[in-house]
Amino acid sequence: NAGVTQTPKFRILKIGQSMTLQCTQDMNHNYMYWYRQDPGMGLKLIYYSVGAGITDKGEVPNGYNVSRSTTEDFPLRLELAAPSQTSVYFCASSYQAGRANSPLHFGNGTRLTVT
Amino acid sequence: QQQVKQSPQSLIVQKGGISIINCAYENTAFDYFPWYQQFPGKGPALLIAIRPDVSEKKEGRFTISFNKSAKQFSLHIMDSQPGDSATYFCAASKETSGSRLTFGEGTQLTVNP
Repeated sequence: NAGVTQTPKFRILKIGQSMTLQCTQDMNHNYMYWYRQDPGMGLKLIYYSVGAGITDKGEVPNGYNVSRSTTEDFPLRLELAAPSQTSVYFCASSYQAGRANSPLHFGNGTRLTVT
Repeated sequence: QQQVKQSPQSLIVQKGGISIINCAYENTAFDYFPWYQQFPGKGPALLIAIRPDVSEKKEGRFTISFNKSAKQFSLHIMDSQPGDSATYFCAASKETSGSRLTFGEGTQLTVNP
């Protein structure tokens, strides 16, 4: 049982390039999330999904896109990378949202630098 | 914006001391308050959580204290150990409606040996 797996672990992009951050989970969770973590700023929700085919914006969606074609996978797409997107990105999943018996399970993150 | 404010941003404690991290929230509808622990290079993981029907919850050396009237809750780590060095996030949600968690800004705890 691998939990939530994110790839790649590290990536350096040039301004204007694009890339996809991969996330897959093997716990059959309906809910999946993408967060970005910046020093002193906590975890900011980028996008989330409540099930295959359903996605919605979080707090900071600009510059990102997502898709959810299967229960397991929730890739995050960066188009036209900008220095402001330099961050650590975490994917998470849960059986339900915000409930005591359904904690968030996080991947180990992708550290992205845009120069 | 429903916010959760966390302090301090960083904390240094000697081994054996007590670490205290505080959080304040605005939305009185919040009814689930978890703490997540994050070690370097890893994602956060649930540490302990509380609901507002109790004022305190203890699990080993970790205790959450909850003050509903002040809209504040805190994490106390007793007998802090170097292995407790991590980033700690408080969070809140309205569990009854299944709302998503709102996270605090995080506290980087360093426990010196």
